[in-house]
Amino acid sequence: GAGVSQSPSNKVTEKGKDVELRCDPISGHTALYWYRQSLGQGLEFLIYFQGNSAPDKSGLPSDRFSAERTGGSVSTLTIQRTQQEDSAVYLCASSFWVTTDTQYFGPGTRLTVL
Amino acid sequence: GDSVTQMEGPVTLSEEAFLTINCTYTATGYPSLFWYVQYPGEGLQLLLKATKADDKGSNKGFEATYRKETTSFHLEKGSVQVSDSAVYFCALSDNTGGTSYGKLTFGQGTILTVHP
Repeated sequence: GAGVSQSPSNKVTEKGKDVELRCDPISGHTALYWYRQSLGQGLEFLIYFQGNSAPDKSGLPSDRFSAERTGGSVSTLTIQRTQQEDSAVYLCASSFWVTTDTQYFGPGTRLTVL
Repeated sequence: GDSVTQMEGPVTLSEEAFLTINCTYTATGYPSLFWYVQYPGEGLQLLLKATKADDKGSNKGFEATYRKETTSFHLEKGSVQVSDSAVYFCALSDNTGGTSYGKLTFGQGTILTVHP
């Protein structure tokens, strides 16, 4: 079946603009995770959802970052007033349940803030 | 908090050489341990995992054993191929419950290049 998909694959924006990144998890997967991959910080956890709830938002770098999930499926990560340090690859993953289930990763969205 | 330390590399080997990438971790409780691989131009894929002490994960000729006494999960392969060239990430998942359950903590990644 279809894997995790993310859109857009690439996004170039100007400093100060808002951006929205989208993730479509594997059908039937209840858990959804957002991670960020950058040169300086490696791979870091941002937030996860179980259903539509986000029990752990501890990884969000600042209050400019927010995420939501609707219908237990699609999730959107929003970055307001983007800064150059937000440039990174944003990865989404999903798993059947929030346990030690394998997380399946999407191809990522490469965000460049000029 | 939880953390993962892995050999950063880069690691350069000739085809058919033996590979070891070291990974050690710090965690409360008994985490699950993973190796993920990222091939050039592709997304992260699970390579292997182990969920309890002394478990051995294996896939595609790669192996790693969960060593609780040394808090390690070293990745090994007896004979690497050019097609194994990729970035390898060691990771752990918190199993203690609570709001961090399931989140992956990654090491910094190790770039492996295999020459013919």
